[in-house]
Amino acid sequence: KQEVTQIPAALSVPEGENLVLNCSFTDSAIYNLQWFRQDPGKGLTSLLLIQSSQREQTSGRLNASLDKSSGRSTLYIAASQPGDSATYLCAVPHRGNTPLVFGKGTRLSVIA
Amino acid sequence: GAGVSQSPRYKVAKRGQDVALRCDPISGHVSLFWYQQALGQGPEFLTYFQNEAQLDKSGLPSDRFFAERPEGSVSTLKIQRTQQEDSAVYLCASSLPNGENTEAFFGQGTRLTVV
Repeated sequence: KQEVTQIPAALSVPEGENLVLNCSFTDSAIYNLQWFRQDPGKGLTSLLLIQSSQREQTSGRLNASLDKSSGRSTLYIAASQPGDSATYLCAVPHRGNTPLVFGKGTRLSVIA
Repeated sequence: GAGVSQSPRYKVAKRGQDVALRCDPISGHVSLFWYQQALGQGPEFLTYFQNEAQLDKSGLPSDRFFAERPEGSVSTLKIQRTQQEDSAVYLCASSLPNGENTEAFFGQGTRLTVV
């Protein structure tokens, strides 16, 4: 059974810092990996999707990497801003047309 | 529509009451998923549709939970005889037929509180 773990559970940083969020998964037979952002009381916003054949994806100040063989992904946020404060979730489908398995998320606070 | 739409956004139900939660997926998305998110946890899978066919309902916690998507578009998640442990946020997601680059898009969720 696929299990997804996110470390740390919570993180508080001053504005302007670069930071790394970690995601690990137990079964490397994944189809892709998706990073989401969730604001309090809101749904999930897709940030980045990395296909299983890719090693990284970039969008603005965000960069996500994927190492399937070791079962790890990292989300790098450059020059953090207070508006980045949210919970970040990673999720993997086991294969096509299967549901996403989520980690519990990392709750990020960026202090001005 | 522009995104996945869920209604109502908030629902308070008395224990024992039946509730119905609606999901309107992105137009053209054949795959539709329901997830349940408890406070401080990641979403957990409930059930999955491809068009009108319910292909996987292994995540439904009990036979009080029922989902349908009769015309392959709008879906309804129904919970009968609600109990306090059903209190959670219910999220709906839709996507195109799966490929490696298929993204799942989520609605805002319905927060259900059973009192």
